Amino acid sequence: DQQVKQNSPSLSVQEGRISILNCDYTNSMFDYFLWYKKYPAEGPTFLISISSIKDKNEDGRFTVFLNKSAKHLSLHIVPSQPGDSAVYFCAAEGGSEKLVFGKGTKLTVNP
Amino acid sequence: DVKVTQSSRYLVKRTGEKVFLECVQDMDHENMFWYRQDPGLGLRLIYFSYDVKMKEKGDIPEGYSVSREKKERFSLILESASTNQTSMYLCASSSTGFVQPQHFGDGTRLSIL
Repeated sequence: DQQVKQNSPSLSVQEGRISILNCDYTNSMFDYFLWYKKYPAEGPTFLISISSIKDKNEDGRFTVFLNKSAKHLSLHIVPSQPGDSAVYFCAAEGGSEKLVFGKGTKLTVNP
Repeated sequence: DVKVTQSSRYLVKRTGEKVFLECVQDMDHENMFWYRQDPGLGLRLIYFSYDVKMKEKGDIPEGYSVSREKKERFSLILESASTNQTSMYLCASSSTGFVQPQHFGDGTRLSIL
């Protein structure tokens, strides 16, 4: 039973364009959502988060949108840069301090 | 900056061996976690600890145990290593409270032959 789903295993975009990574969840008890970025041979690094009381959070080129009614969140990267090429994991938490991760989306930004 | 250090980047062991993976964090975090990452499966929680000598099972605890004798150190133990435990193992830590992200180490690539 996959509670956090990233349905696109990979995404390819051109440098300078927008990257949109999507994530769906099934558990309505989740109230905090995070995005992590992972380069090969490194651990995941925290990117941005959003609590369920908000519908948008922005940090520089990265914006996360949350649609609670649809149980959907997305990460927008504008403009995309080649250094953004990595695997992006969506994660959710519901008060237990444990995170439930999606399977990841590999983003490739082409120069 | 939070520093989570895993003792080995690469490790090769034999089937049946007892394997210890060590993790140390320097930010006085209460919570520590062990995950494994496999292609197509994402990050799966093995065990976590919210205090010294406390532990809770995650989603895939079978074949593993953990030890937390000091706040900064969390060890993962493979009691009798098997080939299906070949994986990337990731340790993480976080402080207690709402909206505290987990911080990860660089991982240990473990191969069981």
